[in-house]
Amino acid sequence: SSELTQDPAVSVAWGQTVRITCQGDSLRTYFASWYQQKPRQAPVLVIYGKNNRPSGISDRFSGSSSGSTASLTITGAQAADEADYYCNSRDSSGNHLVFGTGTKVTVL
Amino acid sequence: QVQLQESGPGLVKPSGTLSLTCAVSGGSISSNNWWTWVRQPPGKGLEWIGEIYHSGSANYNPSLKSRVTISIEKSKNQFSLKLSSVTAADTAIYYCAREFSPESSYDYMDVWGKGTTVSVSS
Repeated sequence: SSELTQDPAVSVAWGQTVRITCQGDSLRTYFASWYQQKPRQAPVLVIYGKNNRPSGISDRFSGSSSGSTASLTITGAQAADEADYYCNSRDSSGNHLVFGTGTKVTVL
Repeated sequence: QVQLQESGPGLVKPSGTLSLTCAVSGGSISSNNWWTWVRQPPGKGLEWIGEIYHSGSANYNPSLKSRVTISIEKSKNQFSLKLSSVTAADTAIYYCAREFSPESSYDYMDVWGKGTTVSVSS
């Protein structure tokens, strides 16, 4: 399968922890990268590889993977974390990239 | 640091060809990474269109492959997207991005352009 499936929306109380998941067969072979997108802005890379953060990304963001599921965890959620989050990985052929369906995170 | 800037017509007629360019500044188009196009229809998620290496090797989204061509212009330090036979469904924000594949087990897009809106309408 070339699909990556995410929950459409999750909510988290301010200061609490939220986990966003991404499911797909190709994740048994490839790590996911994760992107944060705020309204009317380009996506921003927040996690890549096993659990790497680009320079300037808060250590409140972390990534993990188990079987066919990749996860992005936001610890101590803040209002600035409200955004859409997309996972991305190779498909099972390895020749194409595919994005997840996206998760809208709301901080209450 | 590397910056990317998309450019091209904001309006394309149905059945026409969408043509966009991504100018690379602060770095070389011939560096050891891929260059990628991504689009986002209004109110929808991200869709990977395709990628190209400086050698000219390219991969395309299977759902778009028959209509897409991505090319690289080393002399201008830019790469381009052409999408033929467009319909209203191709209306979207189009982004270019730099993509790294440091190991066979993962890729990531670390630099993105601001995006350019393309509408398909008569």
